[in-house]
Amino acid sequence: EPEVTQTPSHQVTQMGQEVILRCVPISNHLYFYWYRQILGQKVEFLVSFYNNEISEKSEIFDDQFSVERPDGSNFTLKIRSTKLEDSAMYFCASRSPLGASKNIQYFGAGTRLSVL
Amino acid sequence: AQTVTQSQPEMSVQEAETVTLSCTYDTSENNYYLFWYKQPPSRQMILVIRQEAYKQQNATENRFSVNFQKAAKSFSLKISDSQLGDTAMYFCAFMKLYTSGTYKYIFGTGTRLKVLA
Repeated sequence: EPEVTQTPSHQVTQMGQEVILRCVPISNHLYFYWYRQILGQKVEFLVSFYNNEISEKSEIFDDQFSVERPDGSNFTLKIRSTKLEDSAMYFCASRSPLGASKNIQYFGAGTRLSVL
Repeated sequence: AQTVTQSQPEMSVQEAETVTLSCTYDTSENNYYLFWYKQPPSRQMILVIRQEAYKQQNATENRFSVNFQKAAKSFSLKISDSQLGDTAMYFCAFMKLYTSGTYKYIFGTGTRLKVLA
């Protein structure tokens, strides 16, 4: 069964460094999402992406964050200058535009980002 | 703004028994979807069950069923005949449809369920 894959599973970085989290969505999906979960807190929406542009973003998604679909398969989240409070689990999700499952998001296993 | 509350951070249940996980939400929307996702350790979140708000009938998927009380804004998950493989974190999620067509999820904090042998 197709699934969303995320790499790496764990990323450790120094404060102030740039990180790129990678996601490969399900191949026929057209809507893409990033969420994050700080330890012990809720899973929070960051951004949604469709047709090569951001369709919605939360107040968390400030200028330090960017998303990109550099080719036909990858969907990336970049944090330009990481802060300690960016430490969290980051989840990628994708969704099909069609059919009975069009309102279901399919999630990856997440990337745990640790900022030291 | 919509909120989702899961008031049980951790629960345990004996194998083969039944357990109910609670979820309440707050919204002024009339049309929306509700979901339960399961996240086994170190694995991705998997959809367990979903409910359309306009449907009065409670959704069921094999051993999983929901008790959807729209007026009370309650959406509990019942797991019957619990199995060891049900051990996971369970997230309740609310979905609002934005005018842009984005389907944004709002999650609760999760309930960690442990099934005991």
